[in-house]
Amino acid sequence: AQSVTQLDSQVPVFEEAPVELRCNYSSSVSVYLFWYVQYPNQGLQLLLKYLSGSTLVESINGFEAEFNKSQTSFHLRKPSVHISDTAEYFCAVSAKAAGNKLTFGGGTRVLVKP
Amino acid sequence: SQTIHQWPATLVQPVGSPLSLECTVEGTSNPNLYWYRQAAGRGLQLLFYSVGIGQISSEVPQNLSASRPQDRQFILSSKKLLLSDSGFYLCAWSARNTEAFFGQGTRLTVV
Repeated sequence: AQSVTQLDSQVPVFEEAPVELRCNYSSSVSVYLFWYVQYPNQGLQLLLKYLSGSTLVESINGFEAEFNKSQTSFHLRKPSVHISDTAEYFCAVSAKAAGNKLTFGGGTRVLVKP
Repeated sequence: SQTIHQWPATLVQPVGSPLSLECTVEGTSNPNLYWYRQAAGRGLQLLFYSVGIGQISSEVPQNLSASRPQDRQFILSSKKLLLSDSGFYLCAWSARNTEAFFGQGTRLTVV
């Protein structure tokens, strides 16, 4: 079984400042890793994913995450946030060859202040 | 391209009433299908997943059930709703070994 821990439930940040959302996971098998974003009263949208290959993955809107196998982490970063990045962010893991059942962390609410 | 439809968007139901939430996927065949629940201020909990017609796995014991009468249709049901069933319900699909794609969600309030 897998588990995901998002260490920060809320992260206030000023516009144009950097942000890092922490995610740690535990699993006895190899995993895929994901970050999803949820805007109010909407479903989840995939932000970025790590399946294999380069451990640094990037999204089209400036976010990046790095898979660190030794630390079992997949932290999400953005060097300069916008007001529109205000949302809830979920880290998720699925075990390879396990039917893609996603296990989610508790979420981190990012509030970008002007 | 693939799309996922989930309805209704919001629902207010009295305690003890039945529930039926429907989810359909277009543009793909034999998807994995999932029902998640998101309680207020909490993360997402996997309720049911299905790898094929009539194949349903329940992740947690509860007052809900799921059915998959067609390849791309996934239904969440209850015979008698409880107050604790209130929450935001999300349907999702995935192909084999890829990411999951989510519907827009149904906000259920049991009163």
